[in-house]
Amino acid sequence: QVQLVESGGGVVQTGRSLRLSCAASGFSLSNYALHWVRQAPGKGLEWAAALSFDASNEYYADSVKGRFSISRDTSKNTLYLQMNSLRAEDTAVYYCARDRLPRRDGYNGFDYWGQGALVTVSS
Amino acid sequence: SYELTQPPSVSVSPGETARITCSGDALETTYVHWYQQKSGQAPVLVIYEDTKRPSVIPERFSGSSSGTMATLTISGAHVEDEADYYCYSTHRTSRVFGRGTRLSVL
Repeated sequence: QVQLVESGGGVVQTGRSLRLSCAASGFSLSNYALHWVRQAPGKGLEWAAALSFDASNEYYADSVKGRFSISRDTSKNTLYLQMNSLRAEDTAVYYCARDRLPRRDGYNGFDYWGQGALVTVSS
Repeated sequence: SYELTQPPSVSVSPGETARITCSGDALETTYVHWYQQKSGQAPVLVIYEDTKRPSVIPERFSGSSSGTMATLTISGAHVEDEADYYCYSTHRTSRVFGRGTRLSVL
């Protein structure tokens, strides 16, 4: 069955970097666009980044553009989110989510989600 | 930037029909998807492409869309339907969630 498992969360100081991982099983990353969606404590969902199924296109929300980078390793079937120049407002649970339709750029909603990884940015 | 507007809260008694709306200028030409999120859990897809329901979602959940407004309807709400509900859509290069609606069933 499809599973997404995030790791790499933790407490980090303002201005530092952190990399999240999302290990996928039950399907190949090569066939689906993948997303990172975040949720600040007590707040709503915010789409953050997406990688098209063939990794040819990366998409970012304005709030993270220029600081975050999405990538994948198909040999490990793992998605990554490199987060640089972290700010207090980046504190959130970060979910990875699979695009609903295969072999698309990632505009179709999400069908499977991981359980999330908490990132806390503190001074 | 593109925005989707939802009411902050909706309250119904068990067995009543709950309706949660989502409005956005581009909804006439784009799909809406709906997610349920219970406290401390990851979101779950309950409606996709305006009206379609995943097979694992109870039949009491339905979706509709007309013009610039989409509606999630829960017919005969159960206590366990109490959760936050988010609409999601895309417009050009934007991917956007509504701010969420807290559904109380009590």
